[in-house]
Amino acid sequence: ETGVTQTPRHLVMGMTNKKSLKCEQHLGHNAMYWYKQSAKKPLELMFVYSLEERVENNSVPSRFSPECPNSSHLFLHLHTLQPEDSALYLCASSNTGVREKLFFGSGTQLSVL
Amino acid sequence: SQELEQSPQSLIVQEGKNLTINCTSSKTLYGLYWYKQKYGEGLIFLMMLQKGGEEKSHEKITAKLDEKKQQSSLHITASQPSHAGIYLCGAVPKMEYGNKLVFGAGTILRVKS
Repeated sequence: ETGVTQTPRHLVMGMTNKKSLKCEQHLGHNAMYWYKQSAKKPLELMFVYSLEERVENNSVPSRFSPECPNSSHLFLHLHTLQPEDSALYLCASSNTGVREKLFFGSGTQLSVL
Repeated sequence: SQELEQSPQSLIVQEGKNLTINCTSSKTLYGLYWYKQKYGEGLIFLMMLQKGGEEKSHEKITAKLDEKKQQSSLHITASQPSHAGIYLCGAVPKMEYGNKLVFGAGTILRVKS
């Protein structure tokens, strides 16, 4: 148990569906991250929130919409996804500052049909 | 942008054997992290190296950082089935980016009993 909880663990959705991924951290951290992990590719940093403000958006398509209502919760809203968006979506949290280690959740395995 | 290349991509070792995984960066390293991942799950932090020549150990896993070579190695002594998984190295691209890690593609380790 890393202190970072993601739900759901598995999600299957059609291309016209709207769904949301949820992440909650119980570590008192003030930075949260979304990463995408596709087969045989490095983890891709999608979004970073620091002190509840978005500080990084790595050219992610608008069909992915993050939300960080407070320092403990992070959401990723999904709509009109494509099959190539199927991947493991990982949430992480850390303290802000230089070289603080990231704590990861178990991920949501997403399949887009 | 910084890239991390891991080698080998995968390896299979007999239980009890030693092994080494390498991580080479295309740019200067400002901190190098090692994580372990079980398939389809989140990343578990192993250790972080900050200075050239630094070496850290945890149980039977030792990591070293060669700053001049922009490289880190992870060595497992007397491998066990519990060591099986995906090992990922991560690095901070620039000093001012704090802990927005970029990752290598991972090394898949299988340990045969």
